[in-house]
Amino acid sequence: EDQVTQSPEALRLQEGESSSLNCSYTVSGLRGLFWYRQDPGKGPEFLFTLYSAGEEKEKERLKATLTKKESFLHITAPKPEDSATYLCAVQAGSSYKLIFGSGTRLLVRP
Amino acid sequence: DAGVTQSPTHLIKTRGQHVTLRCSPISGHKSVSWYQQVLGQGPQFIFQYYEKEERGRGNFPDRFSARQFPNYSSELNVNALLLGDSALYLCASSFTGTGTYEQYFGPGTRLTVT
Repeated sequence: EDQVTQSPEALRLQEGESSSLNCSYTVSGLRGLFWYRQDPGKGPEFLFTLYSAGEEKEKERLKATLTKKESFLHITAPKPEDSATYLCAVQAGSSYKLIFGSGTRLLVRP
Repeated sequence: DAGVTQSPTHLIKTRGQHVTLRCSPISGHKSVSWYQQVLGQGPQFIFQYYEKEERGRGNFPDRFSARQFPNYSSELNVNALLLGDSALYLCASSFTGTGTYEQYFGPGTRLTVT
């Protein structure tokens, strides 16, 4: 069964303290891996799509990377406004749906 | 440009009642997907529609149904509401329903069943 696991469940950082979030996946025929940011009570906001191992994408303080088994979301010198839940999702095989992990709740303290 | 819009924002219903949730996709997008998100979990896939045809259905009971209209907007219907149906219902819009594609989410409808 296709599965996505995110770790840690929660992460507290001091402003400026860089770190990484992990998304490991077990799927048949990965077509794409997606990162979203979700603020409390709101819909997920699209960040990145990664298609193949070795691919990297960057946006401001965020950088996403992909291997054959996992993806990392690196946050460099985070600010309090980066506090949110970060969701990882995959699209695989012949399915049209996104399979999501449970997310990592990030809190950045000033 | 307007993003994905959903209505209503919040809804409170009683067990056994019926509810209809509405979604308008991004202009030019032809596919709409519905997801259910309970607190502390990632969204779970319910349905996908592309060009007014159902392309996929998640592991939800037949009480859940949906449709897509000629203007690509969509409705999600839930009959015989249960307490466990309380969740954030998300609509996602994409340009196409084939290949690999980004899905853009609306703000969601918060459904509370009492």
